[in-house]
Amino acid sequence: GQQVMQIPQYQHVQEGEDFTTYCNSSTTLSNIQWYKQRPGGHPVFLIQLVKSGEVKKQKRLTFQFGEAKKNSSLHITATQTTDVGTYFCAGPAGGSQGNLIFGKGTKLSVKP
Amino acid sequence: GAGVSQSPRYKVAKRGQDVALRCDPISGHVSLFWYQQALGQGPEFLTYFQNEAQLDKSGLPSDRFFAERPEGSVSTLKIQRTQQEDSAVYLCASSPVAAWTEAFFGQGTRLTVV
Repeated sequence: GQQVMQIPQYQHVQEGEDFTTYCNSSTTLSNIQWYKQRPGGHPVFLIQLVKSGEVKKQKRLTFQFGEAKKNSSLHITATQTTDVGTYFCAGPAGGSQGNLIFGKGTKLSVKP
Repeated sequence: GAGVSQSPRYKVAKRGQDVALRCDPISGHVSLFWYQQALGQGPEFLTYFQNEAQLDKSGLPSDRFFAERPEGSVSTLKIQRTQQEDSAVYLCASSPVAAWTEAFFGQGTRLTVV
């Protein structure tokens, strides 16, 4: 079946270092969404990418959607302790009206 | 206004018991989703409502799981004859329009089946 995969599963960085997580779908996606989940919290929407090759920035976060609309990345510049959490990408399941398939997430820890 | 509210926050059920989990979406939101999240995993889709219509229930793991949203606002996820593998966090999310836009998640209900 359709899969959304993320790497790495875990990333430990020193505060101030950069961080990147990668998302790959087994099928072409109409759009991709990114969520952040803090420890003990619930997923919080970060962004949605729709266009092939799209790049969006939110302060220190840069999101990219691949040309083939099958992969995406999230890059954080100069991480801070507030960036700690698990970052999920999610894409629509083909043939479904509401099924978002989430990756397993990348858990980021930041050492001060 | 208030966000998505779920109750109870925690539920411990004995194996074989029935449970009902409630979701109050953001007022006026058309779409409502239920997800199941196991420890260390991403949310897994269970079912989707557009207003009161259940348009997709392909993620419900068995016929022990049932969801409803009779008036297009509050939704209930019912699990009959709970089993240990049902232990997870059940997340509800809503969005203001039809699917594939920003979803607002509730805090979830942590179900533990003993």
